[in-house]
Amino acid sequence: AQKITQTQPGMFVQEKEAVTLDCTYDTSDQSYGLFWYKQPSSGEMIFLIYQGSYDEQNATEGRYSLNFQKARKSANLVISASQLGDSAMYFCAMRERSIGSSNTGKLIFGQGTTLQVKP
Amino acid sequence: DGGITQSPKYLFRKEGQNVTLSCEQNLNHDAMYWYRQDPGQGLRLIYYSQIVNDFQKGDIAEGYSVSREKKESFPLTVTSAQKNPTAFYLCASDGGQGEYEQYFGPGTRLTVT
Repeated sequence: AQKITQTQPGMFVQEKEAVTLDCTYDTSDQSYGLFWYKQPSSGEMIFLIYQGSYDEQNATEGRYSLNFQKARKSANLVISASQLGDSAMYFCAMRERSIGSSNTGKLIFGQGTTLQVKP
Repeated sequence: DGGITQSPKYLFRKEGQNVTLSCEQNLNHDAMYWYRQDPGQGLRLIYYSQIVNDFQKGDIAEGYSVSREKKESFPLTVTSAQKNPTAFYLCASDGGQGEYEQYFGPGTRLTVT
């Protein structure tokens, strides 16, 4: 069964420093996508970054980068130059991309990591 | 502006009452989803629909029902059979085919007493 594990319930980081949020996944599929979402206290889910299983390069979006290690089945999120507005809950998620089979498109979420940025 | 709307943001009901949460999108997306989130937890899939007039159960469908009569709309009914209905409910949509990010609505926080 597909599973996402986020082992850090809570993290602290000093403003302007970098932080890594851990994510490991389990799947038997060869084709899948990995996502990171940010959820501030308002509750909305904000898409941050995406990595496809066949992408050779790590994904980057502004201050966000995804450290993708396929053999270790890890997809850690790195936030550089942390800002106070980065304080939120962060979710790692996976979606299967099985070709030729019915693809629900559903996302499987981890339990989340709460990040607090200290001034 | 394109997006997903969910209303209301906060909803209060008495135990034993059915309640319907609305979800509307103007993104022209084929697929729509309903997720449930409990405090401090990740999201769990309730129901999803990949096309009008068709929908499938997700991981925690018991006590819920949906309809998909229009492409833009995917309402969720929380029935009295749902044992623990108090939660945060998020609606999402995407272009289908599993190739696109899912866009989320702002969510509805349901409290049943």
